[in-house]
Amino acid sequence: AQKVTQAQTEISVVEKEDVTLDCVYETRDTTYYLFWYKQPPSGELVFLIRRNSFDEQNEISGRYSWNFQKSTSSFNFTITASQVVDSAVYFCALSSGSARQLTFGSGTQLTVLP
Amino acid sequence: EAGVTQFPSHSVIEKGQTVTLRCDPISGHDNLYWYRRVMGKEIKFLLHFVKESKQDESGMPNNRFLAERTGGTYSTLKVQPAELEDSGVYFCASSRGQGWTKSYEQYFGPGTRLTVT
Repeated sequence: AQKVTQAQTEISVVEKEDVTLDCVYETRDTTYYLFWYKQPPSGELVFLIRRNSFDEQNEISGRYSWNFQKSTSSFNFTITASQVVDSAVYFCALSSGSARQLTFGSGTQLTVLP
Repeated sequence: EAGVTQFPSHSVIEKGQTVTLRCDPISGHDNLYWYRRVMGKEIKFLLHFVKESKQDESGMPNNRFLAERTGGTYSTLKVQPAELEDSGVYFCASSRGQGWTKSYEQYFGPGTRLTVT
């Protein structure tokens, strides 16, 4: 069975602070993919990143960075120097084995205050 | 390229009525998925089309839900008859076909908010 846990339901930070969103996953498959999506107030789910299970290299994209650690089954997401526009719900998701469907975590509501 | 579009954006119907949701995937995307998020719960998978064929419909809650993808282009999800517990946001997503390195990346539409009263 697959499971994604986002223990942080809500996080509130002040602009320019760094913030890390946690994601812990469970799967028995050795090949899997991890994702982060952003859901702004407008409602659509915006794809941010995909990571393969065989590639543990961390990734940085502008103010965003992702830390993938297989040893702890975690795929955490850090926003550096947060901005008000980063306010959204962020979802971590998993796709494993031959199934293409995504298993989502419950999401983390991030509020960045000016 | 245009993104995934969904229609309507919001639908309010009475219990027992029928509603049809439509999804237009990104042009050229063979894979089309339906998900839904009911109040306070996680986003849950409903089904997966590869072109016009149902690849996986293990997430469909019951036989009141019928999905089609005629011609392998747009898809419809019909709920008949609707029940109160069907209320939620229905998302559609699409991705490239197998063989593409990014075939696992699903791009989502804005969702249809369904309210059953």
